[in-house]
Amino acid sequence: QSALTQPASVSGSPGQSITISCTGTSSDVGSYNLVAWYQQYPGKAPKLMIYEVSKRPSGVSNRFSGSKSGNTASLTISGLQAEDEADYYCCSHASGTTWAWVFGGGTKLTVL
Amino acid sequence: EVQLVESGGGLVQPGGSLRLACAASGFTLRNHWMHWVRQAPGKGLVWVSYIETDGSTTNYADSVRGRFTISSDNAKNTLYLQLTGLRVEDTAVYYCVRDANQGMDVWGQGTTVTVSS
Repeated sequence: QSALTQPASVSGSPGQSITISCTGTSSDVGSYNLVAWYQQYPGKAPKLMIYEVSKRPSGVSNRFSGSKSGNTASLTISGLQAEDEADYYCCSHASGTTWAWVFGGGTKLTVL
Repeated sequence: EVQLVESGGGLVQPGGSLRLACAASGFTLRNHWMHWVRQAPGKGLVWVSYIETDGSTTNYADSVRGRFTISSDNAKNTLYLQLTGLRVEDTAVYYCVRDANQGMDVWGQGTTVTVSS
């Protein structure tokens, strides 16, 4: 159950697009289309932003999109806004005799 | 309103025990898989445990297996996490989370567990 690998930080200017990568293995990200992304503000609980690789829950801006290729999933935020500054975590199912989940280490997004 | 409210956190000595509770409202607990996720101070999210709707299927992260036990009381619509053999590295905010088969869609506000002598 090793954590998925995310960059520690990314940054972008308002209006730009950024992409956060999430690299796992063939036992987690590569095995399932069950990658989710969560946004977390300091001192607050996380919020589901993307599920099943690329689907958005109701109420989440269409500026957020997800994709996956092989063992790497990605979250793209277009038209960056100041309110997007937060920590982002990916999460994937992990294979085994029963279900398990693994999170990425998290990425701090700074809007310049 | 769909809501999860955790309780039971506190300060405990290494080797001690705590029972965390998570009261669900606005939905029926037995209709959803449920998780506990923790976050150490200044660190990232870590999945701890889950329980399926039947209550008989559970799993744990390797770091807590054999020390933590997840359970639910459907009559009280409450999820629990029994923590035993606590270690300093178990210090974290513990979140109760609903799984909607579309990701972890509802999170509680968290309860803080501090393990220190």
